[in-house]
Amino acid sequence: AQSVAQPEDQVNVAEGNPLTVKCTYSVSGNPYLFWYVQYPNRGLQFLLKYITGDNLVKGSYGFEAEFNKSQTSFHLKKPSALVSDSALYFCAVRDISSFKTIFGAGTRLFVKA
Amino acid sequence: SQTIHQWPATLVQPVGSPLSLECTVEGTSNPNLYWYRQAAGRGLQLLFYSVGIGQISSEVPQNLSASRPQDRQFILSSKKLLLSDSGFYLCAWSTPGGWGGYTFGSGTRLTVV
Repeated sequence: AQSVAQPEDQVNVAEGNPLTVKCTYSVSGNPYLFWYVQYPNRGLQFLLKYITGDNLVKGSYGFEAEFNKSQTSFHLKKPSALVSDSALYFCAVRDISSFKTIFGAGTRLFVKA
Repeated sequence: SQTIHQWPATLVQPVGSPLSLECTVEGTSNPNLYWYRQAAGRGLQLLFYSVGIGQISSEVPQNLSASRPQDRQFILSSKKLLLSDSGFYLCAWSTPGGWGGYTFGSGTRLTVV
């Protein structure tokens, strides 16, 4: 069975500092991995995805994510955080044998000015 | 371009009243459609998904039902709401393979009183 874990409920970072939001996954086949962001009282917005190819994936708003097969991780990163990056971030996984995408519990990111 | 519309944005309903939430997608055909519920601003619970007209799969047995009367229309219903039905409901669509990720609607905040 596929699963995804976001080990941190909350991440705090100062504006201008690099940020990392962690995600680990478990699938039976090749993983298809996604990151989404949610602002208050809004739907989720797609940030980036990993299907195949380069392990470093670049996405919207300056975010990137690194796929690490040996550690089964897909951490979200940004070199310099903005206050406007404060939101709820979801990692999601889908494997080729399953129809469904599984979402993590979410990590709340707070960026302080 | 593809867009997804979900309404209403907020809804306050008494216990025992019926519910109908509607979601429509434009700019694509034969989408996969999904209803999620998000409780307490955190994790997503998949309620229903549909791969075609009249084809509904239920993930969690509960007080809700879904229908897909047209290719790009997905409706979430209840005959009698319970207090526990309160939450943030999100509609989403994907291509049939789903590998490009999901596009979410803006959500409906349902409060059952």
